[in-house]
Amino acid sequence: RKEVEQDPGPFNVPEGATVAFNCTYSNSASQSFFWYRQDCRKEPKLLMSVYSSGNEDGRFTAQLNRASQYISLLIRDSKLSDSATYLCVVNQAGTALIFGKGTTLSVSS
Amino acid sequence: DAGVTQSPTHLIKTRGQHVTLRCSPISGHKSVSWYQQVLGQGPQFIFQYYEKEERGRGNFPDRFSARQFPNYSSELNVNALLLGDSALYLCASSLISPGGSGNTIYFGEGSWLTVV
Repeated sequence: RKEVEQDPGPFNVPEGATVAFNCTYSNSASQSFFWYRQDCRKEPKLLMSVYSSGNEDGRFTAQLNRASQYISLLIRDSKLSDSATYLCVVNQAGTALIFGKGTTLSVSS
Repeated sequence: DAGVTQSPTHLIKTRGQHVTLRCSPISGHKSVSWYQQVLGQGPQFIFQYYEKEERGRGNFPDRFSARQFPNYSSELNVNALLLGDSALYLCASSLISPGGSGNTIYFGEGSWLTVV
């Protein structure tokens, strides 16, 4: 079983749609959780950290369920500029980031 | 302030050759990590250095080695290149060891390595 597993893509949605990405992780000792965004042929960039209480940043909402070892990202009112690959990332303090394979989102007009 | 800088940005090597990739972290950052990203996959951890000492190593063969210099810059070396080493090599910089709240990790733009 992979350490971090994400929904297979790609997700193709129209502008204005709401889209949700799911992610599960296998190591219960994981302490930090993130969503990164990666544009085609570019480096990953931090989209948002994920906290146990859930957190929101504009149109983006992240949720964490430690009991189920499940992380989610909700994007509301999708924009063309949201088209990218979204990487689910987990980490134990002081060690490497463990990335999922990524889920590709394509938003069309 | 400059972000994480990597060089070269693109290079082509022949099987069996050796390659050295370089990374300069953000000023003041003491931790550098290296990741390999093969097309269609997420980045895979190779090495982590903090304060010039190796603090972590991923599941990569001994052909891969790295070091961190007194100015906190770092080199990744790969010997006896294989076709499968073709990938984007990413360097990540952070103030302290990766992980933990408040310790944001920043990636460089990467070095695209093609082995032919």
